[in-house]
Amino acid sequence: GAGVSQTPSNKVTEKGKYVELRCDPISGHTALYWYRQSLGQGPEFLIYFQGTGAADDSGLPNDRFFAVRPEGSVSTLKIQRTERGDSAMYLCASSPTGSYGYTFGSGTRLTVV
Amino acid sequence: GQQVMQIPQYQHVQEGEDFTTYCNSSTTLSNIQWYKQRPGGHPVFLIQLVKSGEVKKQKRLTFQFGEAKKNSSLHITATQTTDVGTYFCAGFLNDYKLSFGAGTTVTVRA
Repeated sequence: GAGVSQTPSNKVTEKGKYVELRCDPISGHTALYWYRQSLGQGPEFLIYFQGTGAADDSGLPNDRFFAVRPEGSVSTLKIQRTERGDSAMYLCASSPTGSYGYTFGSGTRLTVV
Repeated sequence: GQQVMQIPQYQHVQEGEDFTTYCNSSTTLSNIQWYKQRPGGHPVFLIQLVKSGEVKKQKRLTFQFGEAKKNSSLHITATQTTDVGTYFCAGFLNDYKLSFGAGTTVTVRA
């Protein structure tokens, strides 16, 4: 596609529920990233995919967070047993290779109530 | 935590004035990038600096990378209302992982 697409744009869920956030990167971009941004802060790294594999998941806060990219294109960020502290903007970005400018999607605003 | 620091956190500018925002890293960076995020929007890539002492211009924006590759600056001349937003610098911690600063949020008084 022309840009990075993220769905849904907004998600409100109850504490304890499971959520999935989807990212469709720019076609041909092998590098895909998930970042999390809280109000007034810069984006914080969660996970990096190069192709299908998670090359670096060191930013995932705990084992409730998991992400996949099974065919090297679309990625899904999965959060189990959501907590109020998970509320944030979740941003996906892609780039042609690792060390290049990122193209961010519009993000998913997650609110856990 | 973030390893790239930005100052000031907020910049209130009179339309037509110039200002500079600064970015500092505790470690030497291979390169540095700048992004702009409009209110309610997502970060948009502006530029990448790679060489020590590099200076690049985009219309009224001038970006500079320090000689030691540990700091960078963004200077905006003749500020316009379209410059409103948060400007982030980001440095690569390795070949692929960007670490973002907390940003400088710019507001403009007409």
